[in-house]
Amino acid sequence: QVQLVQSGAEMKKPGASVKVSCKASGYTFNTHAIHWLRQAPGQRLEWMGWSDVGNGNTKYSQKFQGRVTITRDTSASTAYMELSSLRSEDTAVYYCAREYITNVGQLKIGVHGMDVWGQGTTVTVSS
Amino acid sequence: DIQMTQSPPSLSASVGDRVTITCRASQSISSYLNWYQQKPGKAPKLLIYAASTLQRGVPSRFSGSGSGTDFTLTITSLQPEDFATYHCQQSYSLPRTFGQGTRVDIK
Repeated sequence: QVQLVQSGAEMKKPGASVKVSCKASGYTFNTHAIHWLRQAPGQRLEWMGWSDVGNGNTKYSQKFQGRVTITRDTSASTAYMELSSLRSEDTAVYYCAREYITNVGQLKIGVHGMDVWGQGTTVTVSS
Repeated sequence: DIQMTQSPPSLSASVGDRVTITCRASQSISSYLNWYQQKPGKAPKLLIYAASTLQRGVPSRFSGSGSGTDFTLTITSLQPEDFATYHCQQSYSLPRTFGQGTRVDIK
């Protein structure tokens, strides 16, 4: 079946970096974009960025620009999200999710929504 | 960025009740609006995409409507397994943005 499996929970100290992986199976990896999102306790879901897996293009939320790097390894059907200069406010559950993208002019439209999600990776930042 | 505003933030309901949640976008997003259900400790699950299309396997008591800026999720005859948090999300443009969520709990 189609699934995204993420790496395990991480505990990090302030100032460190964390790299979370998201392995896809059950579908052709380069047919869908992979988004990275996070959810801090009591907060709404927050989009961090995405990888257009087919061509390797990425786009990041302005909030995380300069601190987040999203990459993918098509041979391993795996996407990665690295967040640097961690602070306590980065404590959250991090998710990857796939979305089929339709290009309409400059728009990247997800007609079918984020239909498959990883199970989530808890990242705790504490001294 | 497109701002998504959901209401109410929470509601209490009984099994068998009809529940309606609304979502408003800060600009027109055509019909590119999705609804997710999330239970504690779990990833969100896609319920409805393109404002009104039920994802495969989702019970027909869930329905969505709307276009432009105003959207609605309706659950007819609430079931015990429906107590959860519901999120709306626009997929019209980047960055993808979500509402703040509506928690549905047992009255």
